[in-house]
Amino acid sequence: EPEVTQTPSHQVTQMGQEVILRCVPISNHLYFYWYRQILGQKVEFLVSFYNNEISEKSEIFDDQFSVERPDGSNFTLKIRSTKLEDSAMYFCASSELANLGGNTIYFGEGSWLTVV
Amino acid sequence: KQEVTQIPAALSVPEGENLVLNCSFTDSAIYNLQWFRQDPGKGLTSLLLIQSSQREQTSGRLNASLDKSSGRSTLYIAASQPGDSATYLCAVEGTGGFKTIFGAGTRLFVKA
Repeated sequence: EPEVTQTPSHQVTQMGQEVILRCVPISNHLYFYWYRQILGQKVEFLVSFYNNEISEKSEIFDDQFSVERPDGSNFTLKIRSTKLEDSAMYFCASSELANLGGNTIYFGEGSWLTVV
Repeated sequence: KQEVTQIPAALSVPEGENLVLNCSFTDSAIYNLQWFRQDPGKGLTSLLLIQSSQREQTSGRLNASLDKSSGRSTLYIAASQPGDSATYLCAVEGTGGFKTIFGAGTRLFVKA
């Protein structure tokens, strides 16, 4: 079964450093998303991306965050200057179409980011 | 602003028991509701998706219902097994945008 793949599975970084999390969405999917889950808390929406631009972003997704689809297969989340509170599991997801009805969102296994 | 609540927060049952997990949401303007399973330290696995026009969906021992007008969904698990032990998340896709809003989940433990 097709799946969303994410790398790295775990990254430890120093506060203030830049981090890039990578994702390969399912190949025929057109909508891409990043979510995060701080330990013990809810899964939170960060950003959605379609047709090479951001469709929607949450208040969490401030200027330190950016997303990019650098080629036909990868979708990246960059955190410019990490803070301790950025420590979380980051999930990439994709869907064939927007959820205007019945399109399942498929999630990757997550990238666990620890900022020290 | 859409809020999703799941009750109970945790549940421990003996193997073989039928059980119901509850989800409620505050804004009935949704496109769909999706139930996910999350194992510790792992990603989210989609279990069932119910479109706003549907009342229920079934997959194997799982049955999910949706009452959009009252803002409720239930996930019914029949004949529970130890392998069902996981956190079950309810999530709704609102009509206002491209994001899915999650509940905090119900942590299920099925004892052998």
